[in-house]
Parts: sequence; C-alpha cells; structure tokens
Amino acid sequence: AQSVTQLGSHVSVSEGALVLLRCNYSSSVPPYLFWYVQYPNQGLQLLLKYTTGATLVKGINGFEAEFKKSETSFHLTKPSAHMSDAAEYFCAVSGAAGNKLTFGGGTRVLVKP
Amino acid sequence: GAVVSQHPSRVICKSGTSVKIECRSLDFQATTMFWYRQFPKQSLMLMATSNEGSKATYEQGVEKDKFLINHASLTLSTLTVTSAHPEDSSFYICSASSGGYSGNTIYFGEGSWLTVV
Repeated sequence: AQSVTQLGSHVSVSEGALVLLRCNYSSSVPPYLFWYVQYPNQGLQLLLKYTTGATLVKGINGFEAEFKKSETSFHLTKPSAHMSDAAEYFCAVSGAAGNKLTFGGGTRVLVKP
Repeated sequence: GAVVSQHPSRVICKSGTSVKIECRSLDFQATTMFWYRQFPKQSLMLMATSNEGSKATYEQGVEKDKFLINHASLTLSTLTVTSAHPEDSSFYICSASSGGYSGNTIYFGEGSWLTVV
C-alpha cells in the first residue's frame, strides 16, 4: 500500500521568494515519485519525477525536488517564485513506472506581488 | 511530447441519463489508461485502471456498473457514467501510460467537467 501526505494545503509566497512544498510518502516497495501542477479547470502537467539514480531531480519551470529515503520525503522547491507559479501542486507515488498513482491532498500556491 | 486528449471538456446532462467521456492517446499506444475523479478543491482519486482488450480493474468503493469503462483500442478508452445523478457531478481526468521511448511516463488528459442537473 502507498500513501502521500502533503504538509500545508495552502502556501503563500512573495514573488521572488523561495517556494517550498513538502511531501512525505509511504511505500512498501521502492517508490517512483512525481510532482504535478494543475492550473484552474485544467488537467495535470508533470513537473518532475524520480525513478532511480540521482536523488536531486530537476524539472520544468525552475523546480527541483530531492528524494530522501531516510526521511521518506520528496520536497519540491523553486528558488524564486513567479506569479505564473500560482496553481495547485500534487505529489504522487507509484510502485512502478507507468503504474497507477496515489496522490497527496494537494497544495495551493498563492504568489503575492 | 506525448499528448492525451479528453472529450468533451464540459458536459451537462439530465439526471437519469448516461454520458460518455473519451480519452485518447494521440501519438503513442497506451496499453493502460487510468480514470480519476476530482471534486472541487480536492485531490484526485483513482477510479479504475483500464487495460486494452480486458476488463477494467476498479478501486474499492467504485461502482463498476455505474462507471462503465471500455478500452477497445490502444489509443482510446471511454468512461460512461450511467443513470447519472447530481452527486456524480465532478471533474474526471484520464491518464495514459506509454512505454518505449517515453519510459513508461504517465500523461494526463485535460479533464472533463460533468454537471448533472
């Protein structure tokens, strides 16, 4: 069984400030981890994913995430927030590539000018 | 990049009728597709896994006779909500798993808003 917990349903940051979204997972098998972004009334866009190998993963739009097995975490960061980063972000886990995803509750990011 | 398309993007139907939502993989073959449901301001909940040429696998608590899934080809899966009721109103999203060059990446459709009146 797998589960994902995203700490903080809402995060507010100032434009230019660091964005940090927290994600902790549990998995009985080596996890595949994902971050997706969802803009209002739209589907999901993949930001980045961790499968194997390097634990620091770089994604699109300046985002990156680090897989920490000892902490069962996969936090998402971006050094400098942009107004266009305002959206809902979902962390997800699966047990294998191409398999079904289990999503966290989501974190809504608000970017203040 | 790989694209998954859903149709319709929005649909309104009367209570008691059935409505079909299509999910197509446009430039790759998807042996597996997934259907999710999302209520406003909530996360995505997996409804079922759709495998080409075989019966769908439904998650616990999802009524298979109400949410009919057909995956007749490698590029098309359909979700039919039968005898729809207002509580079925939701955002439905499909995803498709590709193999080969994309390394089994999962791609999501744009979603379909269903409103039952």
